[in-house]
Amino acid sequence: DTEVTQTPKHLVMGMTNKKSLKCEQHMGHRAMYWYKQKAKKPPELMFVYSYEKLSINESVPSRFSPECPNSSLLNLHLHALQPEDSALYLCASSQGGLAGGRAETQYFGPGTRLLVL
Amino acid sequence: SQQGEEDPQALSIQEGENATMNCSYKTSINNLQWYRQNSGRGLVHLILIRSNEREKHSGRLRVTLDTSKKSSSLLITASRAADTASYFCATDRNDYKLSFGAGTTVTVRA
Repeated sequence: DTEVTQTPKHLVMGMTNKKSLKCEQHMGHRAMYWYKQKAKKPPELMFVYSYEKLSINESVPSRFSPECPNSSLLNLHLHALQPEDSALYLCASSQGGLAGGRAETQYFGPGTRLLVL
Repeated sequence: SQQGEEDPQALSIQEGENATMNCSYKTSINNLQWYRQNSGRGLVHLILIRSNEREKHSGRLRVTLDTSKKSSSLLITASRAADTASYFCATDRNDYKLSFGAGTTVTVRA
């Protein structure tokens, strides 16, 4: 299995809702990433997990809460989002954990398109 | 933060023509990667070139890297309609992260 899967594909939520995005990979990769991408912009890194531990948090607001239950799964819990949080949320994985500072090839999922009303 | 700047922002070519896009960056890097993104979907890794390499090929793709000028180019030869996508360069600055450029949108006309 050489793919990263994400569910749901689309999500519409109100500002008071709580929802979760899910990401799964079965390639044995040890680093997993969450990115946010606005229309016609490049992806922006949000979080990085390495060996199931949160290694990088790019000063993301606490209304986004990541979780890595095991080496294959990555969740992003959403609570009290704002309309400006509407975006494509991409999950990615890479083979090794973060070591030596190098950024490896990343394998991306298809994304979850989120609309906050 | 965004390190790469891509040029042009948009490119429209006829099927069968070649497409060239450029990426410039500001700080020293370990490697530079190119990714493709079809409309509204995830990114697909195309090619990685290390800082000690000058040119790399993969199928119809040719990537060059000039570390003295802090720039890279991606050439797609004999373009097809399926090449219509956004193309991003991404640099590895030895801080565990990929820094993506703004992207070049390529449209291949039939």
